Amino acid sequence: AQTVTQSQPEMSVQEAETVTLSCTYDTSENNYYLFWYKQPPSRQMILVIRQEAYKQQNATENRFSVNFQKAAKSFSLKISDSQLGDTAMYFCAFMKLSGNTPLVFGKGTRLSVIA
Amino acid sequence: DTEVTQTPKHLVMGMTNKKSLKCEQHMGHRAMYWYKQKAKKPPELMFVYSYEKLSINESVPSRFSPECPNSSLLNLHLHALQPEDSALYLCASSSDRGYQPQHFGDGTRLSIL
Repeated sequence: AQTVTQSQPEMSVQEAETVTLSCTYDTSENNYYLFWYKQPPSRQMILVIRQEAYKQQNATENRFSVNFQKAAKSFSLKISDSQLGDTAMYFCAFMKLSGNTPLVFGKGTRLSVIA
Repeated sequence: DTEVTQTPKHLVMGMTNKKSLKCEQHMGHRAMYWYKQKAKKPPELMFVYSYEKLSINESVPSRFSPECPNSSLLNLHLHALQPEDSALYLCASSSDRGYQPQHFGDGTRLSIL
């Protein structure tokens, strides 16, 4: 079975600064996908960024980037130039390669961006 | 705007009531999911439908009854719920073509009196 661990229950960052959220996972699979989802108080789960395990290049989406270390089974999220709208719960998630398999979520990190 | 629409957004019901949650998507996705989320916790998978057939049931009590009438619609029928069933119920969908992430709806916040 796969597990996802987010060791930081809460974090805060000043507006315009950079913050890194950590995520580690455990799996015996060689091919899989990793995701970061954001859930603001409005409660919708929003996909922030995705990474295919077979790709060595780290994914980037505007201010969001990941540091994917496959051997270490680590998948951290870096948010640059933090904005007040980034305040949310962030979930790291794992999905096996075969289609329509469920997401395995970490417990989440609550991020507060402070003005 | 979310591409997965859930109704109602809020629902309050008694333990003897029967109600249904509805989820709709028009992205052509052939997999649909129900998750339950308690406050400050990650979503927990309840059911997965693939091509309108139930493929995963995570040992959910029978007071929750899913239904997938067509490829765009997913229902969750509720009957004789318990107070501990109060939670946010999230619906998601995904394509079956290769790797695709799940798209979530806004959820239905359910309160059991």
